[in-house]
Amino acid sequence: SQTIHQWPATLVQPVGSPLSLECTVEGTSNPNLYWYRQAAGRGLQLLFYSVGIGQISSEVPQNLSASRPQDRQFILSSKKLLLSDSGFYLCAWRFGTYEQYFGPGTRLTVT
Amino acid sequence: SQKIEQNSEALNIQEGKTATLTCNYTNYSPAYLQWYRQDPGRGPVFLLLIRENEKEKRKERLKVTFDTTLKQSLFHITASQPADSATYLCAPQARMDSSYKLIFGSGTRLLVRP
Repeated sequence: SQTIHQWPATLVQPVGSPLSLECTVEGTSNPNLYWYRQAAGRGLQLLFYSVGIGQISSEVPQNLSASRPQDRQFILSSKKLLLSDSGFYLCAWRFGTYEQYFGPGTRLTVT
Repeated sequence: SQKIEQNSEALNIQEGKTATLTCNYTNYSPAYLQWYRQDPGRGPVFLLLIRENEKEKRKERLKVTFDTTLKQSLFHITASQPADSATYLCAPQARMDSSYKLIFGSGTRLLVRP
């Protein structure tokens, strides 16, 4: 069966510090991968998606970037965090069927 | 631009009643519409998908309708239970491309009182 992992689960970072969040999927090959952000009390905002290794599409211009160095690894990064980057970051995957499967999320607080 | 509207006010109902949640969309014509459940501090979980040529879809106590003329989907939970309390998100989906990306509504919180 397929499993999706995200780490860390929680993170507190100062403004201006770098960020690296990692997402890995097990049990499937060549999935579509997605990064979402959910601000407190708000809906899910699609940040990036990837249909294959090295293929990244950005949905929202901002100071975040994403990379897919391996088939089942998706990384979200920032060189300098802003206060507005605080939120709940979710990774999701899809393969074959239409629905998406979400990871447990990373709660990021920028102070 | 594409817009998805879900009632931002929480829906508070008595156990055993039917909960009905609404999803309205504008400025696009989705070929599919998905519903997800999200519990606090967790990622969304897929519940149901309905296609544009389907009027209604059922799964156990869940029922989804899709009216492409009204640009609306209704999500029903019959015989609701306190365990159904969660936020429910709709995600209309455009005709398939390689991205299969979803745009989610902001969700409606359902509270089922025992």
